[in-house]
Amino acid sequence: DQQVKQNSPSLSVQEGRISILNCDYTNSMFDYFLWYKKYPAEGPTFLISISSIKDKNEDGRFTVFLNKSAKHLSLHIVPSQPGDSAVYFCAASEAGANSKLTFGKGITLSVRP
Amino acid sequence: GAGVSQSPSNKVTEKGKDVELRCDPISGHTALYWYRQSLGQGLEFLIYFQGNSAPDKSGLPSDRFSAERTGGSVSTLTIQRTQQEDSAVYLCASSAGDRDREKLFFGSGTQLSVL
Repeated sequence: DQQVKQNSPSLSVQEGRISILNCDYTNSMFDYFLWYKKYPAEGPTFLISISSIKDKNEDGRFTVFLNKSAKHLSLHIVPSQPGDSAVYFCAASEAGANSKLTFGKGITLSVRP
Repeated sequence: GAGVSQSPSNKVTEKGKDVELRCDPISGHTALYWYRQSLGQGLEFLIYFQGNSAPDKSGLPSDRFSAERTGGSVSTLTIQRTQQEDSAVYLCASSAGDRDREKLFFGSGTQLSVL
């Protein structure tokens, strides 16, 4: 049973445009959400996070939005750059879970020059 | 070291053999996690260490899988009598572990192929 769902396996956008990556979750105990980025043959690296007490967190070109009532979050990248091409994982954790993360299957983002 | 180090980076083995995967966490990180990623799947939690103890082993798929950590540092994941379904990338991560919500730092993983 997938508790974190990334239903679109891939996304292709033009350089300079906005990339929107979506994520849904089913576990109402999740209260902290993260996005990780992964290049081939490398481990995932942390990108941005958001606590459930917020609905938006911004860091440079990256913004994460959280809609708790819909159990939905999204990552916006603007403007998109070719170097953003990677696999993006959505992850979530519960309070007191010692940072144990539950991951989605990932979305492959391709940014076309 | 500067980051989480895993070895070997690639391992090819025959069905039924035992394998050992090693993880060197970031120096000073007390929390250590093992995950695996099978083809087309997300990262699946296997086991969590705090120091040398493993308070959460809930993700280990069978009793063929075991892990230990010594000296609060290096960890070894052992898979006995490997099966083809064990083929995956095995990822290790560490965190400072001194408060909740620490972000995890991942190694590059070990690609395990069971023939």
